[in-house]
Amino acid sequence: DAKTTQPNSMESNEEEPVHLPCNHSTISGTDYIHWYRQLPSQGPEYVIHGLTSNVNNRMASLAIAEDRKSSTLILHRATLRDAAVYYCILRAPRGGGGADGLTFGKGTHLIIQP
Amino acid sequence: NAGVTQTPKFRILKIGQSMTLQCTQDMNHNYMYWYRQDPGMGLKLIYYSVGAGITDKGEVPNGYNVSRSTTEDFPLRLELAAPSQTSVYFCASSYSGRDTEAFFGQGTRLTVV
Repeated sequence: DAKTTQPNSMESNEEEPVHLPCNHSTISGTDYIHWYRQLPSQGPEYVIHGLTSNVNNRMASLAIAEDRKSSTLILHRATLRDAAVYYCILRAPRGGGGADGLTFGKGTHLIIQP
Repeated sequence: NAGVTQTPKFRILKIGQSMTLQCTQDMNHNYMYWYRQDPGMGLKLIYYSVGAGITDKGEVPNGYNVSRSTTEDFPLRLELAAPSQTSVYFCASSYSGRDTEAFFGQGTRLTVV
């Protein structure tokens, strides 16, 4: 399975934008790029996903490089509640359905300073 | 809408005991998953299911068993608990595969002593 590389931790100030990078140089053409976050003592929470084009939703934006070898999760205005571990995951098909789930790395620990 | 519900939230087991972790989803999702998370680590896939009656092994299946008799329920069975199974267990579900979001339960914290 294709792997991702993320910084271990990042710091940002409250009410400022945050750009969380992810490298996935071995991504294949059918891999979807997913982002999840995990708040302390909670289960992971879906943030956003995409294939080729940039994506926006109420939580964040996902910017995907033209060659798809990297992506950036953008939180437009960080709050203290956004402090969490953020996971960049390639969801790859196996047997055509991707049913074997999400492969989690260690993610990026995002610290928000008030 | 409850989403994915896991029970119990906490459990202490003695070595050699057995237990079943329950997972129920009310979203009519076909795909369900069990993960474990050790301290400071990411989640690792134990087992998954693409529909009732169909299950398959993930990355770390040893010491566990699953069944999927209904769309809603996906219990995880621990036989002969060992200290190495001390972890937080998460159940998840999604409508289909790689192009849909997964929903996670709040987890079961299991300690084997």
